[in-house]
Amino acid sequence: AQTVTQSQPEMSVQEAETVTLSCTYDTSESDYYLFWYKQPPSRQMILVIRQEAYKQQNATENRFSVNFQKAAKSFSLKISDSQLGDAAMYFCAYRSAKGTYKYIFGTGTRLKVLA
Amino acid sequence: GAVVSQHPSRVICKSGTSVKIECRSLDFQATTMFWYRQFPKQSLMLMATSNEGSKATYEQGVEKDKFLINHASLTLSTLTVTSAHPEDSSFYICSASVSGAQETQYFGPGTRLLVL
Repeated sequence: AQTVTQSQPEMSVQEAETVTLSCTYDTSESDYYLFWYKQPPSRQMILVIRQEAYKQQNATENRFSVNFQKAAKSFSLKISDSQLGDAAMYFCAYRSAKGTYKYIFGTGTRLKVLA
Repeated sequence: GAVVSQHPSRVICKSGTSVKIECRSLDFQATTMFWYRQFPKQSLMLMATSNEGSKATYEQGVEKDKFLINHASLTLSTLTVTSAHPEDSSFYICSASVSGAQETQYFGPGTRLLVL
């Protein structure tokens, strides 16, 4: 069975600085999808970034980028030029490319942004 | 695009009553919808996967007779908590995948249920 691990329960970053959130996963599959979701205090889950395992190029979305290391089964999220609005819980999620479409979520990392 | 709504956003009910929560995909068709439960400061726990026109698939440990799920159309799924008890108080979140591009789930804003 697949698992997703987020080893950092909480992280802090100074405004305008860069922070990296870690995510590792375990799977025997070769084709899958990985996601980072943000959950601010409103509790609305917001898609931050998505990565297809068959793509070697790391996904980027404006200030958000990932470092996808397939062999190491690592999928970290880098937030550049951190803003106060980035403060939230961040969840890493795995989805197999076949079978059911359900996600496997990590336990989350709470990001605090310091002014 | 890909907006999911939930109604109500919060509900308070008496123990023993039933509560229905609606999940709608507003600007896309969703063959598959998901229902999650989230306890404070915890991750999302998948309760069931709902496919339009068929019976929901429940995760292990989730009582299907207590949490009734109906996915009658490509834009609407409902979760009914039957005979609710205080331990059912929680934050319930639905999500939906776009038909034909089902890799990504889009989430509703959630429903806070308080059972007195």
